[in-house]
Amino acid sequence: KNEVEQSPQNLTAQEGEFITINCSYSVGISALHWLQQHPGGGIVSLFMLSSGKKKHGRLIATINIQEKHSSLHITASHPRDSAVYICAVRSVNQGAQKLVFGQGTRLTINP
Amino acid sequence: DGGITQSPKYLFRKEGQNVTLSCEQNLNHDAMYWYRQDPGQGLRLIYYSQIVNDFQKGDIAEGYSVSREKKESFPLTVTSAQKNPTAFYLCASRTGGAGLGYGYTFGSGTRLTVV
Repeated sequence: KNEVEQSPQNLTAQEGEFITINCSYSVGISALHWLQQHPGGGIVSLFMLSSGKKKHGRLIATINIQEKHSSLHITASHPRDSAVYICAVRSVNQGAQKLVFGQGTRLTINP
Repeated sequence: DGGITQSPKYLFRKEGQNVTLSCEQNLNHDAMYWYRQDPGQGLRLIYYSQIVNDFQKGDIAEGYSVSREKKESFPLTVTSAQKNPTAFYLCASRTGGAGLGYGYTFGSGTRLTVV
């Protein structure tokens, strides 16, 4: 079993829908990252969380440390949100602050 | 603007040849990383470096080599010993420290195809 599991693996929705992507992890962590990978392959860091909730524009990220679970929400989704969203955790046991990545969720927003 | 530059974006090589992927950053970050991405899998760590002239093997280092002679540069060589080199390779760097939070910056990647 992977240390970081994302669901769903693929998600297709219509423009304007509210989107939720989930991330569960099995290790103790010091932080969790949400990343966005566009079709060209480059990755952009969206959020870094260690507790609670963060919001940036239409994106909201939450984390529940006790349940070892995080969610990424997109409100009023738009076709330009189509990308692969990746959850990554920084394990407390990794002295070099290495990240462990989920396999990604491919999101497609249709107009 | 500061960032990470990976080159080239696409690279084709014949089987048995070594190939070097470039990664340059102007962010003044100490730590740099190389990841490999295969379809349907999460990114896997190949090598990382926390400081100039020092680097450590990651989870899948076999068949790869790196150097860190300058803070700005962390090239990755895919050797002929790598059994399945065709993949997408991402370079990243990290800033910050305890209490500040660690921020990661990623490059745009190099897609290597070995024929």
